Amino acid sequence: QVQLVQSGAEVKEPGASVKVSCKASGFTFSGQYLHWVRQAPGQGLEWMGWIRPNTGDKEYGQKFQGRVTMSSDTSISTAYMELNTLRSDDTAVYYCAVRVDGQNDAFDTWGQGPKVTVSS
Amino acid sequence: SYVLTQPPSVSVAPGKTATITCGGNKNAIKSVHWYQQKTGQAPVLVVYDDADRPSGIPERFSGSKSGNTATLTISGVEAGDEADYYCQVWDSTSDYVFGPGTKVAVL
Repeated sequence: QVQLVQSGAEVKEPGASVKVSCKASGFTFSGQYLHWVRQAPGQGLEWMGWIRPNTGDKEYGQKFQGRVTMSSDTSISTAYMELNTLRSDDTAVYYCAVRVDGQNDAFDTWGQGPKVTVSS
Repeated sequence: SYVLTQPPSVSVAPGKTATITCGGNKNAIKSVHWYQQKTGQAPVLVVYDDADRPSGIPERFSGSKSGNTATLTISGVEAGDEADYYCQVWDSTSDYVFGPGTKVAVL
C-alpha cells in the first residue's frame, strides 16, 4: 500500500524552527521527487519545494529560499522539511506529496498533513 | 509568473453536471492536474495530464483542455463530491503553481 505518514502537530513560538517528517512505504522512495506543499487556514495550496532522496538534489520555491531545508534518510525512507525563523503567517498544514511513477509534475500520493501553529 | 484562475464557487444539483474552469495567463496552458480536497482532508488527485484518471477515480470525473483553459467536469454529481477543487501546473519559471480553488456545493 502506497502511503506517506507524517509526524504530528506542532506548536512553535515566533522565531523558532520546526522539522516535519514524512515516512514513505509501498514504493521506491529513493528514486522519486518528494515535494512539500502547505495550506494556511482557509487558504489554497502553496508549493514549497522538492527533494530527490537518491541524489540529494533539491529545489526550493523562491518564497522559502534561505528559510527552508529539505533532507532525507533513505535507510528509513523518510524525508524531512525544516522551516526556520517561524512567523505567525507560517501557521499552516504541511503536506508531503509525491508522484509515484517517477514523473515530477503532479502529486498522486499525499501525507496526512500535520498542522504547525506559530503563536506566542 | 504563471497564474491560474478558477471560479470561486460552483453550485450544482445532484445528478447534474458540474464544470470547473482553470485559466492560465500564458498561451497554451501547460499540462493540467486536478485535485479534490474535502474538509479536513489531504488533497486527492482526480485528473492528471489534462485528461487521465488515476486508478480508483470514478469515470464521472473527466478533464479537457483547449487553448489556455482547462476544464474539470463532474457528471452525475453526488453529495460526496462536495469539496474544494484545485488545478495545478508545472511551469519552468514559476515551478509548481496551484489555482485558487473552486468550492463545489451540491444543492
